[in-house]
Amino acid sequence: EAQVTQNPRYLITVTGKKLTVTCSQNMNHEYMSWYRQDPGLGLRQIYYSMNVEVTDKGDVPEGYKVSRKEKRNFPLILESPSPNQTSLYFCASSLRQGIVYEQYFGPGTRLTVT
Amino acid sequence: AQSVTQLGSHVSVSEGALVLLRCNYSSSVPPYLFWYVQYPNQGLQLLLKYTSAATLVKGINGFEAEFKKSETSFHLTKPSAHMSDVAEYFCAVSGNGGSQGNLIFGKGTKLSVKP
Repeated sequence: EAQVTQNPRYLITVTGKKLTVTCSQNMNHEYMSWYRQDPGLGLRQIYYSMNVEVTDKGDVPEGYKVSRKEKRNFPLILESPSPNQTSLYFCASSLRQGIVYEQYFGPGTRLTVT
Repeated sequence: AQSVTQLGSHVSVSEGALVLLRCNYSSSVPPYLFWYVQYPNQGLQLLLKYTSAATLVKGINGFEAEFKKSETSFHLTKPSAHMSDVAEYFCAVSGNGGSQGNLIFGKGTKLSVKP
């Protein structure tokens, strides 16, 4: 089954404790990205990757890191989480059809930082 | 810069009534437009997309949207609401040039359906 998977789905952590949220897709998509969703703000892009070893900042990259060593994986790293990073995080991957990218989303990771 | 505005953070309709969710966009180039739906406690699912072909786009679950360049709008409609339509709906526009994969989302509209 074609899908984007994220782990963990739920995470409660404390301020300053490094964490990684994994994202994996099995559709051989080149483009992957991370979003955070906050009430009243919609989804905002954190980082994206056009291909292996190619990453770039989205709209809200502060406090986050990413890496793209393999095509299928795109982990999100919070080196020193803070309470303002409490949010719902989505990973997405894109199939390029012509010049249009159609994004497929993972199920989300709900992160709470205390 | 591109942007999306969704009018109304909450919309409530009666079961069987018309659903109309509004989306206006701002773009300096011909846009690609999308509607996504998020059911409670789930990820986002693509409802439909506009890619400069037909201006009236049909999607899944009976939804459709019409691209109106003169009004810079891409409103989502469904003739008859069903309880299963309760969800949050997001309009999105794609980025420009090399960042075409970037989606810029509106803030979302929560749809509730009254029995």
